[in-house]
Amino acid sequence: DTEVTQTPKHLVMGMTNKKSLKCEQHMGHRAMYWYKQKAKKPPELMFVYSYEKLSINESVPSRFSPECPNSSLLNLHLHALQPEDSALYLCASSQRPGQQDPSPLHFGNGTRLTVT
Amino acid sequence: EDQVTQSPEALRLQEGESSSLNCSYTVSGLRGLFWYRQDPGKGPEFLFTLYSAGEEKEKERLKATLTKKESFLHITAPKPEDSATYLCAVHGGSQGNLIFGKGTKLSVKP
Repeated sequence: DTEVTQTPKHLVMGMTNKKSLKCEQHMGHRAMYWYKQKAKKPPELMFVYSYEKLSINESVPSRFSPECPNSSLLNLHLHALQPEDSALYLCASSQRPGQQDPSPLHFGNGTRLTVT
Repeated sequence: EDQVTQSPEALRLQEGESSSLNCSYTVSGLRGLFWYRQDPGKGPEFLFTLYSAGEEKEKERLKATLTKKESFLHITAPKPEDSATYLCAVHGGSQGNLIFGKGTKLSVKP
């Protein structure tokens, strides 16, 4: 079992839907991340939150909107997605942001998103 | 350009047949190298962190080593349950982010 919990595990949505992915960690980590992973590819960084503030946005389209309500929670709001956005969305956390300390990332098991 | 290259892309072993996976990197200012294991449909599972050349870490049948240009993940007497994709990631470079290799898919046959 992973210490980073993601819900839901699977999500199917239409291109006009609005949905949210949720992530929770209780390890006291102060950096949280969203990654996107396509089949047979490595994870690609989308967003980084450091001490609950957005610190990195890797030029992600505005149809993806991250939110960090507190130090344990991370959300990813989805709106007007395209079929090519179908992928495994991974949440991760680390003790401190990478710029301060290269501590390892701990990943959740992801949300498998299918856009129809 | 900061880069992480893993080889081979895929590796098939018989149970008990030891081998090594390679991760070569070109980044400015290496701050840490990480090995992860990923099973199908799951998130990457953290295995090891290596911070400096000459460092070694061990866990069960796995041993990770680091030089100034590459890291090896040695698998001794593998079992079918070791089958997975092994990802190498490097922290460093001009952006200070984590740079992933494309992974090595390991299959161990009984």
